[in-house]
Amino acid sequence: DAGVIQSPRHEVTEMGQEVTLRCKPISGHNSLFWYRQTMMRGLELLIYFNNNVPIDDSGMPEDRFSAKMPNASFSTLKIQPSEPRDSAVYFCASSRQGAKNIQYFGAGTRLSVL
Amino acid sequence: GESVGLHLPTLSVQEGDNSIINCAYSNSASDYFIWYKQESGKGPQFIIDIRSNMDKRQGQRVTVLLNKTVKHLSLQIAATQPGDSAVYFCAENIGPGGSNYQLIWGAGTKLIIKP
Repeated sequence: DAGVIQSPRHEVTEMGQEVTLRCKPISGHNSLFWYRQTMMRGLELLIYFNNNVPIDDSGMPEDRFSAKMPNASFSTLKIQPSEPRDSAVYFCASSRQGAKNIQYFGAGTRLSVL
Repeated sequence: GESVGLHLPTLSVQEGDNSIINCAYSNSASDYFIWYKQESGKGPQFIIDIRSNMDKRQGQRVTVLLNKTVKHLSLQIAATQPGDSAVYFCAENIGPGGSNYQLIWGAGTKLIIKP
């Protein structure tokens, strides 16, 4: 099993630019999570999808952030426009039905907004 | 004012010794607990879990202890190896049978294994 695959691993962009982060969950997993990790705030849940439907987006910081899951094998997290305070490591995780808390994380995307 | 980041508690252990990482949780309604390990440059990785109707669970070289009376969780790692160096997070879940997706994450403890 390839695990959760995220791309890109690193992204450096300038303030105001659009950033798109991508995630391929583990095949057969029907729950998908986007997290943000910073030294200041630790690990924060941004959004949770179940069966491709957004269930809880209360962690999305503001309207500049949006996430989609067009099918069971792909999700995106978009920031438009990006700001320096968005700099963080963004993780995608997936889990099986009935074991939502055993989440399998990707390697993350380290985003730097200059 | 100047912003400061989270200061991770750090535990240094000699290779081969046992280590104990502690975690205090806040919600007495939490009924499911998980330990994750995060190595540098990687995402968190599931280690072991425990339900509130248990007070101990063992895995390979790891043991989790749960004390609901004082809302305390610990992770014991036996015979530590260099590969155990990582940040360890405890997480709690509130919900019947742990089915709720929302995890409440601790700040983490950094474990350093000295050669």
